[in-house]
Amino acid sequence: GAGVSQSPSNKVTEKGKDVELRCDPISGHTALYWYRQRLGQGLEFLIYFQGNSAPDKSGLPSDRFSAERTGESVSTLTIQRTQQEDSAVYLCASSFRAGSSNQPQHFGDGTRLSIL
Amino acid sequence: AQSVTQLDSHVSVSEGTPVLLRCNYSSSYSPSLFWYVQHPNKGLQLLLKYTSAATLVKGINGFEAEFKKSETSFHLTKPSAHMSDAAEYFCVVSGSNDYKLSFGAGTTVTVRA
Repeated sequence: GAGVSQSPSNKVTEKGKDVELRCDPISGHTALYWYRQRLGQGLEFLIYFQGNSAPDKSGLPSDRFSAERTGESVSTLTIQRTQQEDSAVYLCASSFRAGSSNQPQHFGDGTRLSIL
Repeated sequence: AQSVTQLDSHVSVSEGTPVLLRCNYSSSYSPSLFWYVQHPNKGLQLLLKYTSAATLVKGINGFEAEFKKSETSFHLTKPSAHMSDAAEYFCVVSGSNDYKLSFGAGTTVTVRA
């Protein structure tokens, strides 16, 4: 079946602009995660959604970052007033149910964001 | 809190020779541990996972890893490297809520013909 889909695959924008990144999880996956991957580094947790529960936003680096998810479908990550340090690959993952280590996270190919 | 240290930022091997990627973890409870692989411009793919069952875990593409609690290690091995194994590898430990993963900085593997 289809995997996690992210769009756009690449985004170049000027400093100060807002950007919106989209993630389509695997159908039936109730848990959805956003990560940031800076060049040559591992992944940083940003935010987690589980069904209709309140999301865990503890990883968002500043109030310029926000994310939404409607039910168990598409999620959008929004970065307002982008800064050069926001340049990174933003990865989305989904899983059947969080809180169980038997449910691995499945990753999309990411959005490569470059801030000029 | 938990953390992961990947001891090698870069590993270079010849095709057909063994691969060893080293990972040490720190956790205040019994962790779940994973290895993921990332090919260029792609997302992460799960290679294998340890979840307190057998300490020797077999994964896809001939990889395996051994959980050693006394050494707090979870090293990844493959007996014979293939050119297609050239990629970035991440050792990952789960958090107290299971969903929050902590990633190592990654090990880049290059395979020489």
